[in-house]
Amino acid sequence: KNEVEQSPQNLTAQEGEFITINCSYSVGISALHWLQQHPGGGIVSLFMLSSGKKKHGRLIATINIQEKHSSLHITASHPRDSAVYICAVFSGGGADGLTFGKGTHLIIQP
Amino acid sequence: DVKVTQSSRYLVKRTGEKVFLECVQDMDHENMFWYRQDPGLGLRLIYFSYDVKMKEKGDIPEGYSVSREKKERFSLILESASTNQTSMYLCASNRWRPNEQFFGPGTRLTVL
Repeated sequence: KNEVEQSPQNLTAQEGEFITINCSYSVGISALHWLQQHPGGGIVSLFMLSSGKKKHGRLIATINIQEKHSSLHITASHPRDSAVYICAVFSGGGADGLTFGKGTHLIIQP
Repeated sequence: DVKVTQSSRYLVKRTGEKVFLECVQDMDHENMFWYRQDPGLGLRLIYFSYDVKMKEKGDIPEGYSVSREKKERFSLILESASTNQTSMYLCASNRWRPNEQFFGPGTRLTVL
C-alpha cells in the first residue's frame, strides 16, 4: 500500500508570498493529484500529473517520478488561496480509489 | 460541468439506526467512490464501484455496505450506525482510471 506524506501540515503566510507544499509517496504510481478543499466546501481537483510540470494561473505542480516526490507552488498568494491542499496518488493496484495524504492547511493573511 | 450531488449536507442519527447516504452523478461515469474524511486521518476509501451492481471494498469497509442499481447512483448504507461512524462522507466519480475524480459536497454525519 502506498504511503503518502505531505509537508508541512500547517502553513501560515502573508499575502504575496511564494508557497510550496510537498508530497512524497513510497511506491511507484500511475498518476498524482493535487486537490483543494475550502472550509465547509467540497473537494476540487487542481491538477492530475504523471510527469513533468503543469501550470494553471498562479498554481504550478511538479513531479519527480524517480524521487517519488511532487510539489505544489502558489505564486503571489492571496487570502482566497486559504484552504486545505491534498495530495493523492493512484497506484493502479488493488482498490482503485486514490490514496490520500493528510492535507496541508494553508492560511494566507492579508 | 460534471455534477456530483449528495442527498444531505448534514445528518444526525441515533446509534443503531440504519442510515442511507445517496450520491448521484450526471456525467455517465463508470466509477463511483465513497470516502470518509476524519481530522488527522485524511480521506480513506470505504467502497468503490466500477459498474452497475459491481462493488469493491476499499481500505475501511467494515460497518458499511453499498448499492449501485443504476449507473448514476451509488448508495452508502450504515446497517446499524455507531458513534465511531461520525464523520464527513464524500462521494466521487470518474470515467477512466486514473482520471481526475469529481467530488460531491460531502455529508457531515453525526451519530449520537
